[in-house]
Amino acid sequence: EAQVTQNPRYLITVTGKKLTVTCSQNMNHEYMSWYRQDPGLGLRQIYYSMNVEVTDKGDVPEGYKVSRKEKRNFPLILESPSPNQTSLYFCASSLISLGFGGGTDTQYFGPGTRLTVL
Amino acid sequence: AQKITQTQPGMFVQEKEAVTLDCTYDTSDQSYGLFWYKQPSSGEMIFLIYQGSYDEQNATEGRYSLNFQKARKSANLVISASQLGDSAMYFCAMRDVDQTGANNLFFGTGTRLTVIP
Repeated sequence: EAQVTQNPRYLITVTGKKLTVTCSQNMNHEYMSWYRQDPGLGLRQIYYSMNVEVTDKGDVPEGYKVSRKEKRNFPLILESPSPNQTSLYFCASSLISLGFGGGTDTQYFGPGTRLTVL
Repeated sequence: AQKITQTQPGMFVQEKEAVTLDCTYDTSDQSYGLFWYKQPSSGEMIFLIYQGSYDEQNATEGRYSLNFQKARKSANLVISASQLGDSAMYFCAMRDVDQTGANNLFFGTGTRLTVIP
C-alpha cells in the first residue's frame, strides 16, 4: 500500500530536549516536505527536499533541521524545542513536477504528529 | 503576500444540498496547480481534486467539482448532495514551481464545513 508514515503520532516533551520526528514513504518519490499546522494559519511549509542530499528552507524553518540521506526518509529534527513549536506536523511526498500544470501531481500526506512542548 | 485566500472560516449546509467553498489565489506564474484537501476531525489530509492552470475544463471527481475562473484567479470547490461525512475542514492549496523546480504547496487558512441533518 502506497503511504507516508510518521512517528511518533503524539509527543509531549519539555523545552530544550532534542527530538526527531521520522517520515518515510514507499512510493519512490523524489520530493518530500514538512509542514506545520496551527489554528487560523493553515499549513505552512518548514523544509522541503527535491532529492537525496538536497534540502531547502520553506516559509518557517527557524528552530528546525532536516536531513535526506535516503530517498525514502526525511526526518524532522528539533534540536532545542520551545513551546511555540507546539503544533500538528505533517510530512508529505510527491513526484517532482515539471510545472506545466498537467496531471494530478498531488502531494501525499502522512497521518500527522501532534507535538506539545511544555 | 498571501498566496491563497479562503474568506469563509465556517460554512453550514443542509444534508443533500450543494455548497460552494471559496478560494482565490495570487500568482504571476502561467503554470500552476490548484488543489483541495479535506481534513476530518481525525486529522489526516485527504486529497480531493486538482486543477492545472492549462486545463480548460473544470475538474470533477465524483461529488466534487472545481469552479476554475482563471481571469478572476478563483478556484472554488463545489460539493453536491452534501453528506454528514462531508463535515470537515477544507483547505485550498496552490502548487508553485520556483526557479529550482521545487514543487511547493501554499495553503489557505481553511473553511470548516458543517453538514446539518
